[in-house]
Amino acid sequence: LAKTTQPISMDSYEGQEVNITCSHNNIATNDYITWYQQFPSQGPRFIIQGYKTKVTNEVASLFIPADRKSSTLSLPRVSLSDTAVYYCLVGDLPDNNDMRFGAGTRLTVKP
Amino acid sequence: DAGITQSPRHKVTETGTPVTLRCHQTENHRYMYWYRQDPGHGLRLIHYSYGVKDTDKGEVSDGYSVSRSKTEDFLLTLESATSSQTSVYFCAISKSGPPVQSSGANVLTFGAGSRLTVL
Repeated sequence: LAKTTQPISMDSYEGQEVNITCSHNNIATNDYITWYQQFPSQGPRFIIQGYKTKVTNEVASLFIPADRKSSTLSLPRVSLSDTAVYYCLVGDLPDNNDMRFGAGTRLTVKP
Repeated sequence: DAGITQSPRHKVTETGTPVTLRCHQTENHRYMYWYRQDPGHGLRLIHYSYGVKDTDKGEVSDGYSVSRSKTEDFLLTLESATSSQTSVYFCAISKSGPPVQSSGANVLTFGAGSRLTVL
């Protein structure tokens, strides 16, 4: 099972770049790495997904080293509205309950 | 959230009563999931379905049952609700199953959640 470890919380200021790292030492060959964002009283929503190297979309970048044992979500120039909990999810679709969310990282962006 | 609705959104019930939460999707996705979210525990998978009448247990399935008689509906039932089942319940859907042939195939789309309070 691909268990993930993330920092519990992080603080940042508006306009800064934020990097959140997720460790997943026992990632399997078929596993993708997916990040979700959750605001209070809402369900999580997809941010970005990758398998290796770097992926970038309009919201974030995802950096994955060659050994794939960790990944880093990069949020450029955060704003107050980026305050949320960010989850790293590693796994293929459910196969022996592999689709597990960790506790997430609570990002607080300050003015 | 577009394409996935949960009902009821809020419910208060008493210990020992049965409760059914409904998840309805209009995306025709094969996979559907029920998660619960509690402070300090994050999101935990209760049950999931990989097709009509095909379901399997997640990590916290005790005390819950599910049914999927149609592609679009996934029901979560608490046969006899207990206070420990007070939680926020999220339904999610995804397009396809393993093996993942391409990026994006297993991305989860979540509903808005159902807050259940068991007194």
